[in-house]
Amino acid sequence: ETGVTQTPRHLVMGMTNKKSLKCEQHLGHNAMYWYKQSAKKPLELMFVYNFKEQTENNSVPSRFSPECPNSSHLFLHLHTLQPEDSALYLCASSQGGLAGELFFGEGSRLTVL
Amino acid sequence: QKEVEQNSGPLSVPEGAIASLNCTYSDRGSQSFFWYRQYSGKSPELIMFIYSNGDKEDGRFTAQLNKASQYVSLLIRDSQPSDSATYLCAVPREKSSGDKLTFGTGTRLAVRP
Repeated sequence: ETGVTQTPRHLVMGMTNKKSLKCEQHLGHNAMYWYKQSAKKPLELMFVYNFKEQTENNSVPSRFSPECPNSSHLFLHLHTLQPEDSALYLCASSQGGLAGELFFGEGSRLTVL
Repeated sequence: QKEVEQNSGPLSVPEGAIASLNCTYSDRGSQSFFWYRQYSGKSPELIMFIYSNGDKEDGRFTAQLNKASQYVSLLIRDSQPSDSATYLCAVPREKSSGDKLTFGTGTRLAVRP
């Protein structure tokens, strides 16, 4: 238990569906992140939020839409995804700064049919 | 885009041996380096970080950094089957932020009983 909880753990959706991934951290951290992990590829940083403000959008397609209503919650809204978007989506949090250790959630395994 | 290179493995070592995991990075200005461990089906967790040239020891783990050669390694002494996992090397994308990390693809370690 890392203090970062992600739901759902598994999600199957069609290309025309709209779904959301949820992340909640109980660590009092200031920063939250979405990473994408695909087979045989490095972890890819998608979005970064510091104190609810988005500070990084790593050229992510607009079919992925993040939302951070407060420092403890982070969402990733999904719509009109492609099969190549199938991956493990990891949420993480940290205190930020130079030595910020990332605490990851268990991930949401997404399959796009 | 900063790059982090790792041999994907698998690296197979017998129980009790020293496992040596290697990582090279492209940005000569990188100042901090992180090693994460990811068990199969689990999320990554930080095991060590290093800022200075030379060795840093923590229990059975030793991180080695050679900035001139742009090379960082992780040694695991007295390897145990429970050390079998994928080890991810990571470097901050920005000098001013230690937590927006660029990850390598990871090296899978298998420790044989």
